[in-house]
Amino acid sequence: EDKVVQSPLSLVVHEGDTVTLNCSYEVTNFRSLLWYKQEKKAPTFLFMLTSSGIEKKSGRLSSILDKKELFSILNITATQTGDSAIYLCARGRGSSNTGKLIFGQGTTLQVKP
Amino acid sequence: DGGITQSPKYLFRKEGQNVTLSCEQNLNHDAMYWYRQDPGQGLRLIYYSQIVNDFQKGDIAEGYSVSREKKESFPLTVTSAQKNPTAFYLCASSSTGVPTMNTEAFFGQGTRLTVV
Repeated sequence: EDKVVQSPLSLVVHEGDTVTLNCSYEVTNFRSLLWYKQEKKAPTFLFMLTSSGIEKKSGRLSSILDKKELFSILNITATQTGDSAIYLCARGRGSSNTGKLIFGQGTTLQVKP
Repeated sequence: DGGITQSPKYLFRKEGQNVTLSCEQNLNHDAMYWYRQDPGQGLRLIYYSQIVNDFQKGDIAEGYSVSREKKESFPLTVTSAQKNPTAFYLCASSSTGVPTMNTEAFFGQGTRLTVV
């Protein structure tokens, strides 16, 4: 079945901890895998991954895609309470570069002071 | 500022009524999308449009209708045929670009629809 599966579904950590969020998928014929952060309303874009093995970084966040093993991870180091959010993983469909995305269920991260 | 505007933020509807959710973008994007978000299920694609006057069904189009008469606007109508309309609805847009470009989708703030 064509699904995107995220794990864990929820996670509670304390400030300063490092977390790893997982995203696995089942098909290989797509161009991009994306990560979004959703705090209250609109998901905001974090990363787009198209190449296997190349890490993308933005401050304390980083992400990498493994096309052979069909998964991606999102790492957050030195977590802060402001990192509390739902993290969404999504993949594109086929070779299209549009926003026709298939989303995972999301991982709800809570960072306690 | 450029962005996507959804209205209203909250909407209540009686069973059996149709309701229309607004989505406007000034990003000059060709493509627009409607997603539905339910707890524990992530986002699911309802309808999308890649060009004016054209749109296609997504994964869960039953009970919904859309129009794309203008590039900036992509309203979604939730009809009485939609069995479980209570949800959070997100509109998005993206630039289709050339095939080798990668373009992410930008989301609006969402409309929370509750059927009472």
